[in-house]
Order: sequence, then structure tokens, then C-alpha cells
Amino acid sequence: GNSVTQMEGPVTLSEEAFLTINCTYTATGYPSLFWYVQYPGEGLQLLLKATKADDKGSNKGFEATYRKETTSFHLEKGSVQVSDSAVYFCALKENAGGTSYGKLTFGQGTILTVHP
Amino acid sequence: GAGVSQSPSNKVTEKGKDVELRCDPISGHTALYWYRQRLGQGLEFLIYFQGNSAPDKSGLPSDRFSAERTGESVSTLTIQRTQQEDSAVYLCASSSTGGVPAYEQYFGPGTRLTVT
Repeated sequence: GNSVTQMEGPVTLSEEAFLTINCTYTATGYPSLFWYVQYPGEGLQLLLKATKADDKGSNKGFEATYRKETTSFHLEKGSVQVSDSAVYFCALKENAGGTSYGKLTFGQGTILTVHP
Repeated sequence: GAGVSQSPSNKVTEKGKDVELRCDPISGHTALYWYRQRLGQGLEFLIYFQGNSAPDKSGLPSDRFSAERTGESVSTLTIQRTQQEDSAVYLCASSSTGGVPAYEQYFGPGTRLTVT
């Protein structure tokens, strides 16, 4: 079955540091890949996505590239801010039969804390 | 417009009691999903509904769990004879549908269930 593995946290950084959160996956076929973020006291929201190999998703200074050869979708940001403190989830969705809907398979989440 | 709403936001129940959790999706969204998030873990898929198709119940952990949805509106998740291991945050999401690529799932704030 499908699975997503994220680097274990929590991750603690100083403001303006470089961030990498590793994510690897196992899936049949060619899944779509996502990063979701959960800020303190808020609901889960989509951060970025990529739907095919070599696509790069980006948003709010975060980037992740869909690497089929290494089955990875690592999240990066060049300079983190205190406001980036949140829980980050990597997820995949199978694209079976050309449908756009379907369940997401999530990693366990990585807690990021950024200090001033 | 309004996002996905869930009620109640918190529910404390005694072991053995039944509980009902409610989800109001975004208007016009034909797909609706339920997930569970246990403490310190990623989100676990439970069930999803797509229009008038038979729901995908593959994630329901036992026959104590059931869910209903009438048309493209409200859904209720029912847990019978609750157990302490059912304690979790139950998240609902909805999405529009169409062809590829993937369509974003919008998440509600969740219902925190505590079984004592």
C-alpha cells in the first residue's frame, strides 16, 4: 500500500536559517504529492503541491520538487521566520483512473519551531 | 465564502457511549472526506464520499464506525460503543471534482474526541 515517511522532529531553528524537511514515499503508479501546514490553533491547509515528476511546487518561500527517481518530495525554505512555526505534513494521493478526488495518505508530521 | 465547519469542536464521552460528529462541507463540493489524527501521529484516512457513488469505507477501523452523507450536503460520523483508543481529533475535508490534476482538499477545524 501507499505510505509517506517524514523526517522525525521536532525541528528547532533560528530565524533566517535554512530549512529542509525530508519526505519520501511509497506508492503504486504516479501519485500527486503535497505539503500541508497546520499553524497553532488553526486548521490544516495546503502549502504546495506537485502532480508529476520534476514538478516544483512553491508557496510563501517554500519549495519542494517531485523526484521520482528517489521517491522524495523534500520541503525547503531559504530563510525561515518565526511565523513559519507550525506542524508540516507531507502527503500523497494516487491518481488512479484519471480521477482528481481520492484519499490522502499522510506522513506523521514534523513540528517546526523558529526562534527569534 | 464559508469554509468547512465541524461540530462539536470538543466532545468528552464515557467509554461505551455512542457519539455523532457532524461536518458541513463547502457548498458545491461533491467530495467529502473523514480523517482521524491521534496524538503525535499523522492523519489517518477513514472514509470518503463522492456524489452518488458508493463511499470508500476502506479506512474505517472497525464496524463500530459508520458515516452517512445525504446528497452533497452534511455528513455525520458515528462511533458506537466508544473505546479509549478512539480518542483523537476527527477532521473532515471537502473538495470539488473534475479531471486531473488533483483538486485541493479543504479541511475543517476538527472535533477533538476524548473517551474517558
